[in-house]
Amino acid sequence: DTEVTQTPKHLVMGMTNKKSLKCEQHMGHRAMYWYKQKAKKPPELMFVYSYEKLSINESVPSRFSPECPNSSLLNLHLHALQPEDSALYLCASSQVNNGYTFGSGTRLTVV
Amino acid sequence: GQNIDQPTEMTATEGAIVQINCTYQTSGFNGLFWYQQHAGEAPTFLSYNVLDGLEEKGRFSSFLSRSKGYSYLLLKELQMKDSASYLCAVRDGQAGTALIFGKGTTLSVSS
Repeated sequence: DTEVTQTPKHLVMGMTNKKSLKCEQHMGHRAMYWYKQKAKKPPELMFVYSYEKLSINESVPSRFSPECPNSSLLNLHLHALQPEDSALYLCASSQVNNGYTFGSGTRLTVV
Repeated sequence: GQNIDQPTEMTATEGAIVQINCTYQTSGFNGLFWYQQHAGEAPTFLSYNVLDGLEEKGRFSSFLSRSKGYSYLLLKELQMKDSASYLCAVRDGQAGTALIFGKGTTLSVSS
């Protein structure tokens, strides 16, 4: 298995909803990442998990809450989002100091 | 911090060669990556340089000069399907193992 799987592929949520994005990989990668990408912009780093521990939080608002239950799973819990949070959310994984694999992303629309 | 610069847009014709440049400034350089991204899709890995010199991979080559903070991606025998965004990304020690992306270069290939 050489893929990073993200679910759901599309999500529409209201500003009072709570939802979660999921990311899964079975390549034995010990580093996992969340990126946010707006249209025609590059991916922006949000969070880095290394060996299931949060190592970097790029000043992301608390309405985004990451969780790494085990070495294969990464979640992003969403609560009280704003319309400007609408974007493509990309998950990636890597061996430490090695190549990166990106998931196909979750396209999030906040209404 | 990091500063990664690449041209916003480039155009070329089928069968031609195009070179996309990337300059960077980082405090803890640990590798440079090139990714291709079609609209609405995840970035896909093209090349990786950590030492100075040229890495060749089929129609794609990438060059790195660490002393100049400079890289380029060379695409040969361009095809229409090469129309995409090309992202230069740097692994910087300040961001742990994460990739930090430049703004991307949108390449349009015409017949």
